[in-house]
Amino acid sequence: GAGVSQSPRYKVAKRGQDVALRCDPISGHVSLFWYQQALGQGPEFLTYFQNEAQLDKSGLPSDRFFAERPEGSVSTLKIQRTQQEDSAVYLCASSYGTGSYEQYFGPGTRLTVT
Amino acid sequence: QKEVEQNSGPLSVPEGAIASLNCTYSDRGSQSFFWYRQYSGKSPELIMSIYSNGDKEDGRFTAQLNKASQYVSLLIRDSQPSDSATYLCAVNGGDYKLSFGAGTTVTVRA
Repeated sequence: GAGVSQSPRYKVAKRGQDVALRCDPISGHVSLFWYQQALGQGPEFLTYFQNEAQLDKSGLPSDRFFAERPEGSVSTLKIQRTQQEDSAVYLCASSYGTGSYEQYFGPGTRLTVT
Repeated sequence: QKEVEQNSGPLSVPEGAIASLNCTYSDRGSQSFFWYRQYSGKSPELIMSIYSNGDKEDGRFTAQLNKASQYVSLLIRDSQPSDSATYLCAVNGGDYKLSFGAGTTVTVRA
């Protein structure tokens, strides 16, 4: 079946612009995660949804970052007033259940803030 | 202190040899452990998961877990050039989020 999809794959934003990154998880997957990956590092947790409920947003770097999953399927990560330090790859992952289930990643969105 | 530590690498092995990757973690309550492979410019791909002490084999890959030593490893047997990638160790502390190591880059020499 289809895997996790993300769009856009690449995004260049001028400093101060708002961006929206989309994630479409594997069909039927309850859990959805956003991670941020800097060059040469492992992914870092940003936020977690169980269906439409955002249960953990402890990893969001600032209040400029906002995520939603209104119908329990597609999710959007929004970054307001982008800064250069926001440049990274944003990865979405989904998991069938809750808890310690395997997570499958999408291709990521590479965000470059100029 | 970083929660998940991996060999700094890079690790270079000849084709056909065994590549051995190590990972230690700090949270003694961690319950599930994963290895992801990440090719340059691509996203992480799940290759192994292990939940209990001992060995788990899948094709040319073997994962080993020792919870008492807080240690997990990945062996790649009969290494192929297509195995050249960065390997990420990920640990689930019993809730849902994964903590990743920085990864070990493996190069298989033909």
